[in-house]
Amino acid sequence: TQLLEQSPQFLSIQEGENLTVYCNSSSVFSSLQWYRQEPGEGPVLLVTVVTGGEVKKLKRLTFQFGDARKDSSLHITAAQPGDTGLYLCAGAGDDMRFGAGTRLTVKP
Amino acid sequence: DAGVIQSPRHEVTEMGQEVTLRCKPISGHDYLFWYRQTMMRGLELLIYFNNNVPIDDSGMPEDRFSAKMPNASFSTLKIQPSEPRDSAVYFCASSQGGWMNTEAFFGQGTRLTVV
Repeated sequence: TQLLEQSPQFLSIQEGENLTVYCNSSSVFSSLQWYRQEPGEGPVLLVTVVTGGEVKKLKRLTFQFGDARKDSSLHITAAQPGDTGLYLCAGAGDDMRFGAGTRLTVKP
Repeated sequence: DAGVIQSPRHEVTEMGQEVTLRCKPISGHDYLFWYRQTMMRGLELLIYFNNNVPIDDSGMPEDRFSAKMPNASFSTLKIQPSEPRDSAVYFCASSQGGWMNTEAFFGQGTRLTVV
């Protein structure tokens, strides 16, 4: 079982601020995904990273996969209230397991 | 396609009763996953199927939990007998080709409360 640790667990910031959340593991993953979950809904895929060192950008969101494919980060620039939600990382190995998530609140 | 459809959306039952959660995956998807989400433990993988065959049920917490996939368009997760600690949101997800570089599409979940 590959364990994924996400930090911080909770994050509350003001609109316009930048933030970074982390996903770490001692296991190597074939790929890693980031999902966002809103209240009352299931998680929705944001991005998949595959190659060590890979960086992907999705508008104001920047995702990076660690060189050793054991960790990843999500950076949000100029956060907006619409970014509020639970951010989950999921690692693909023998199966797909999720971290506990970072609960982000962006205040207007 | 309407996406992954789960029913019911909410279920309240008394301890000891049997509970059956239902899932209709996206047509054409060959993988189906059942997850349980709680504040304490996050999103836990319970079991997954490939082409209707259970592949890994190591996440199923106890023998009280069972899952079936009689055909490509339907799966059930049954808890018998239910206990208060089973209270959680249960998600079904489906994907095409597993989890390697593919997207898992989640249903809206079933919120189970056992009193």
